Amino acid sequence: DVKVTQSSRYLVKRTGEKVFLECVQDMDHENMFWYRQDPGLGLRLIYFSYDVKMKEKGDIPEGYSVSREKKERFSLILESASTNQTSMYLCASSSGPIYEQYFGPGTRLTVT
Amino acid sequence: DQQVKQNSPSLSVQEGRISILNCDYTNSMFDYFLWYKKYPAEGPTFLISISSIKDKNEDGRFTVFLNKSAKHLSLHIVPSQPGDSAVYFCAASRGARAGNMLTFGGGTRLMVKP
Repeated sequence: DVKVTQSSRYLVKRTGEKVFLECVQDMDHENMFWYRQDPGLGLRLIYFSYDVKMKEKGDIPEGYSVSREKKERFSLILESASTNQTSMYLCASSSGPIYEQYFGPGTRLTVT
Repeated sequence: DQQVKQNSPSLSVQEGRISILNCDYTNSMFDYFLWYKKYPAEGPTFLISISSIKDKNEDGRFTVFLNKSAKHLSLHIVPSQPGDSAVYFCAASRGARAGNMLTFGGGTRLMVKP
């Protein structure tokens, strides 16, 4: 079974703090994704990576950056957290031409 | 501008009856469609998919229908069970691109009453 793990289930940070969200997958998948989920808006893609050190912007990259130094790990960075970044953050991975993505359990981030 | 829309935020169905969840899209370049199910405090899990070259795909109690001319797809669950209560997201892919990005709808919360 594919396993995607995220470093924290719940996180509370203050405005202006730098925030790191970590994601690890154990199936040697090439592709990794970061989404945020907000009520009524579904899942919106922030960034994705199709190879180590490669990254591409998704639909809402503003205020975020990412890092992929190893194939199994994909980090989402909030350089200076703001209250409008309070959300559920979901990491996913997929393999090559396969469309199905496998998701982690999510991190609920609250910025106060 | 949401390219994938689920216009019903919630749906309530009696156990044993059919559940029909709908999804509309605007981008004619989408050529692969997926449905995901999400329970509270868990990540979404893949349920069923359909390629644009087909108009129907079945997997047990779940059937997805695609109407390309109307840019509409639907998920049928027959018979519905209380364990099907979850949020359902439809998603679409823009074809063979690096990473096979998915665009998701806003989700429909299904409640199956015993």
